[in-house]
Amino acid sequence: GNSVTQMEGPVTLSEEAFLTINCTYTATGYPSLFWYVQYPGEGLQLLLKATKADDKGSNKGFEATYRKETTSFHLEKGSVQVSDSAVYFCALSDANTGNQFYFGTGTSLTVIP
Amino acid sequence: AAGVIQSPRHLIKEKRETATLKCYPIPRHDTVYWYQQGPGQDPQFLISFYEKMQSDKGSIPDRFSAQQFSDYHSELNMSSLELGDSALYFCASSLGQGQDSPLHFGNGTRLTVT
Repeated sequence: GNSVTQMEGPVTLSEEAFLTINCTYTATGYPSLFWYVQYPGEGLQLLLKATKADDKGSNKGFEATYRKETTSFHLEKGSVQVSDSAVYFCALSDANTGNQFYFGTGTSLTVIP
Repeated sequence: AAGVIQSPRHLIKEKRETATLKCYPIPRHDTVYWYQQGPGQDPQFLISFYEKMQSDKGSIPDRFSAQQFSDYHSELNMSSLELGDSALYFCASSLGQGQDSPLHFGNGTRLTVT
């Protein structure tokens, strides 16, 4: 079946530190991969996506590369800001399972000044 | 840009009551999804609709039902509410059902059952 596994949080970083949030997946087919961000009291917002192997999604300084060989889609940012404090969800969508989205459990990030 | 609109934003009900949550997708989006998110948990898929027909069903209890109307808005009807139904309920919409189509989420309805 399909599943997404994220590194557990919470993660606390100082401003300008380097961020990595690990995400690995299991899928029956060739899924599309996504990172969503959720700020307090809000819905999930699409951060970036990659639809095939070796694709790199990027947005707002965040990057993630679709690695088929390691079934991973790790989220990275070179220099985090206080405003990046949020919960980050890795997700996949697989046409073999009706394009239903599967989410990881979320990783809470707090950036301190 | 227009986003997914959900109403109400907050809802408080008592056990065994009913609740109706509404979702207005992004204009021209033809697919609507409902998710339930418990505290500190990832969103759990409930049900989805494509072109006003149910397209997929997840962990939606039999006490819940949903539909998508001719204007593409959707309603989630919840009956015989239980304390465990307290959660954030998100609606999301997408254009088409391809696996490359990202979901666009509303800000959710926070349901509290007392």
